[in-house]
Amino acid sequence: EAQVTQNPRYLITVTGKKLTVTCSQNMNHEYMSWYRQDPGLGLRQIYYSMNVEVTDKGDVPEGYKVSRKEKRNFPLILESPSPNQTSLYFCASSFRTSGSSGANVLTFGAGSRLTVL
Amino acid sequence: EDQVTQSPEALRLQEGESSSLNCSYTVSGLRGLFWYRQDPGKGPEFLFTLYSAGEEKEKERLKATLTKKESFLHITAPKPEDSATYLCAVRVTGNQFYFGTGTSLTVIP
Repeated sequence: EAQVTQNPRYLITVTGKKLTVTCSQNMNHEYMSWYRQDPGLGLRQIYYSMNVEVTDKGDVPEGYKVSRKEKRNFPLILESPSPNQTSLYFCASSFRTSGSSGANVLTFGAGSRLTVL
Repeated sequence: EDQVTQSPEALRLQEGESSSLNCSYTVSGLRGLFWYRQDPGKGPEFLFTLYSAGEEKEKERLKATLTKKESFLHITAPKPEDSATYLCAVRVTGNQFYFGTGTSLTVIP
C-alpha cells in the first residue's frame, strides 16, 4: 500500500530533551515536507526537500532541523524542544509535476501529536 | 505576503442542502491550488488540483472552481459522510505550500 509513515504517533516529552520524528514514504517521491497544525493557524510548512541532500526552509523553520540522506526518509529533529512546539505534525510527499520541477499532489502521513512539558 | 483565507470557518447543513466553501488567496507566483479533506485524527486527503482561472473539476457531490483571486468548493446535496474539514492550499514558486485554516463542515441527517 502506498503510504507515508510517521513515528511516533504520540509523544510527551520535556523541555530541552532532543527528539526525532521519523517519516518514510514508499512511493519513490522526490518531494517531502513537514508541517505543523495548530488551532486557528492551520497547516504551516516547516521544511521541505526536493531531493536527496536538498532541503529548504518553509514558513516556520525556527527550532527544527531536517536531513534527507535517503530518498524515502525525511526525519524532523527538535534539538531542544520548547512548549511552543507542542503541536500536531504532518509529513507529506509528492512526485514532481511532469513538465516542470514543481511538487504536486501531497500524500500525508497520519500525523504525530507532540506535547512538550 | 502570501496568504490563503477560507470562509466560513464552520458550516452546518441539512442533508441535501447545497452550499459553497470559499478560498481566497493572495500569492505571488501561483503554481496550483489544491483542495483536501481532513477527517478527525487523520492526515489531509487530496480532492482536487486547479491550475488556471476558469478551470473546474468534479467528483461525486463536489465541484471545485478557480478564478484569479479565489476558489470555490461547491457541495451538492451533501450527505452526513461529507462531514469533515475542507482545506485549501496553494503552491507558489519555489515549491512552498500555504494552507488556509479550513472550513469545518457538518451535515445533519
